Amino acid sequence: QVQLQESGPGLVKPSETLSLTCTVSGGSISSYYWSWIRQPAGKGLEWIGRIYTSGSTNYNPSLKSRVTMSVDTSKNQFSLKLSSVTAADTAVYYCARTPRVYDILTGYYPQYFDYWGQGTLVTVSS
Amino acid sequence: EIVLTQSPGTLSLSPGERATLSCRASQSVSSSYLAWYQQKPGQAPRLLIYGASSRATGIPDRFSGSGSGTDFTLTISRLEPEDFAVYYCQQYGSSQGYTFGQGTKLEIK
Repeated sequence: QVQLQESGPGLVKPSETLSLTCTVSGGSISSYYWSWIRQPAGKGLEWIGRIYTSGSTNYNPSLKSRVTMSVDTSKNQFSLKLSSVTAADTAVYYCARTPRVYDILTGYYPQYFDYWGQGTLVTVSS
Repeated sequence: EIVLTQSPGTLSLSPGERATLSCRASQSVSSSYLAWYQQKPGQAPRLLIYGASSRATGIPDRFSGSGSGTDFTLTISRLEPEDFAVYYCQQYGSSQGYTFGQGTKLEIK
C-alpha cells in the first residue's frame, strides 16, 4: 500500500522560506507525477505545483515566482520550497500522487490524485 | 483560466436519500481531466471518481459520476451515514495546472 508522509517545520517566520519533504513508501517514486496541494483552515484546495520523476516541473501560475520543487529518487522523496511567505501561506500542506497512465480509449492521460499524505499544518507567524 | 463552480454550497439530506452534486466549468473540460473527491474533517481528500465517470479503487457503487463539456455531476444513490462530508471537483488544464471547485458540503438533515 502506497503511503505518503509530509515532514517539515510547523512554524515559519514571515519573509522566510517554507520547506517541506514528502516521503513515499510502499511503492516506487518513479514514473509518477508528484504534487503539493494546500488548504487554509476552513477553505478549499489549492494546487501548488507538481514534479515528474525526471525532474520536470509545473507550477501554479499564481505561485510560480516563489515555488521550487525537487525530487530525490534514491530516497523516494520530493520536496517543496516556498519563499517569501506571509500569513496568507498558513495552511495544511498535502503531498499527492498522479499516475501517468495512458487511456487508449480517449487518447489522454487522465489527471487526478489517487494517493494523498495526511497533511501537515504550516503556520506563518513571527 | 478555467473556473469550477460547485452547487449547491450546502446540501441537507437524510440517510437513504439520493444526492446530486453539480460541478460547472467556465470552459469546456476534457472528461479525462475531471475528478471528484470526498473530504471529512481532519482528513485528506479521498479520490472517488476520475475521468468524469470511473470509480476509484474501493469506492462503493452507490457513487457515480457523469457529464461532459462544462457540466459534470456526482450522484450518491442512497446516502449512508459515512457519506456526509465535503465534496470537491477538480480539473486539469495544460496552462494553469489543476484547479478545484469551492466544494459542496453534504450535511445530515
